Amino acid sequence: AQKITQTQPGMFVQEKEAVTLDCTYDTSDQSYGLFWYKQPSSGEMIFLIYQGSYDEQNATEGRYSLNFQKARKSANLVISASQLGDSAMYFCAMREGRDSSASKIIFGSGTRLSIRP
Amino acid sequence: GAVVSQHPSWVICKSGTSVKIECRSLDFQATTMFWYRQFPKQSLMLMATSNEGSKATYEQGVEKDKFLINHASLTLSTLTVTSAHPEDSSFYICSARSGLVGASGFFGPGTRLTVL
Repeated sequence: AQKITQTQPGMFVQEKEAVTLDCTYDTSDQSYGLFWYKQPSSGEMIFLIYQGSYDEQNATEGRYSLNFQKARKSANLVISASQLGDSAMYFCAMREGRDSSASKIIFGSGTRLSIRP
Repeated sequence: GAVVSQHPSWVICKSGTSVKIECRSLDFQATTMFWYRQFPKQSLMLMATSNEGSKATYEQGVEKDKFLINHASLTLSTLTVTSAHPEDSSFYICSARSGLVGASGFFGPGTRLTVL
């Protein structure tokens, strides 16, 4: 069964607008972690933001914020004031179980975000 | 932040040959490394978990005899694609994690393998 679902294969957004990238997940664990990564055309994976399942507040990192709705099992990424450099693939990912060095991180199918000037 | 390197960054080889990809954690000790494969326009698929000093744990459907993983030290894991075929052409990415480094783990820049 799909554990991480990203329903938006691609999105176009006007520069300076905010954009929300959707992510839903499925797990029976009480302890888990949710991540968002950015992958530009170069292929490198850039860590953006992290939300622990027990974190009460939504994570924020600069222009990135994670809209964590635990009951709905959703972890949407919000990018405020989008920039041309934000054009890339974005992956939602999940770590199941408590955080340890051996914990696997699995990825959703990704959303290709394109910013229009 | 912590740095993970991969070598080579790209490789082209003939069908039937073996290719070794190295993943190094440059400024921390990685007790666990993960190997992912990414086909064009697809997501990262976890292949195996590499543990220092012990056998790797492979995900379902990944042939352990074809994708040999060795984690000889706390800073180096290698993935060897044996008898490579064109369908093995892909982007291979490693991730290194340590409890001291952080929750996200750090990814290498990836290795693009093309098998002719």
